[in-house]
Amino acid sequence: QVQLVESGGGVVQPGRPLRLSCAASGFTFRSYGMHWVRQAPGKGLEWVAVIWNDGSNQYHADSVKGRITISRDNSKNTLDLQMNSLRAEDTAVYFCVREVGPFSGFDYWGQGALVTVRS
Amino acid sequence: QSALTQPPSASGSLGQSVTISCTGTSSDVGGHKYVSWYQQYPGKAPKLLTYEVSKRPSGVPDRFSGSKSGNTASLTVSGLQAEDEADYYCSSYAGSNNWVFGGGTKLTVL
Repeated sequence: QVQLVESGGGVVQPGRPLRLSCAASGFTFRSYGMHWVRQAPGKGLEWVAVIWNDGSNQYHADSVKGRITISRDNSKNTLDLQMNSLRAEDTAVYFCVREVGPFSGFDYWGQGALVTVRS
Repeated sequence: QSALTQPPSASGSLGQSVTISCTGTSSDVGGHKYVSWYQQYPGKAPKLLTYEVSKRPSGVPDRFSGSKSGNTASLTVSGLQAEDEADYYCSSYAGSNNWVFGGGTKLTVL
């Protein structure tokens, strides 16, 4: 069965970096585009970034552009999110998400990794 | 990119139907077939209910149906059950490799 398992969350000071990882299993990872979606405490969902199945293109939400970068390693079936210059407003649960098909929606979600940015 | 507009709350009685709306613009909801709906319980990951407006993944009951008219998408939950009480989110492709979510609707089953 499809499994997405995030790791790397924690408490970090403002301005410091943090890297999240997502281990994928149960499907042909290299065949699917992958996303990160976040949810601030008590708030709604916010799309963060997408990377195409072959890793050739990545796109990020304006709110994180220049600070947060999505990447993947199809040989290891992993998806990463490098977060730099973190701000308090980046505090959220970050979900690793598989897309149904190009542009179509998000069919499998990880359990989420909590990132708390505070001094 | 602005969030899609959903009512903060909705309610319906057991066995009845309820419809949740999701309003966007011609750049997102109105401009693409890529509208999807999600159900989320507190502390859990969202679950896909419908995608490409009205398609349902296997395992999702046909009580959940999606539709779209112009810049507004809708999710209808028929035959309400107690377990349908949850938060519901819409999402749309917004062009230029961007996606946008709605603010979420809390559904209460009376």
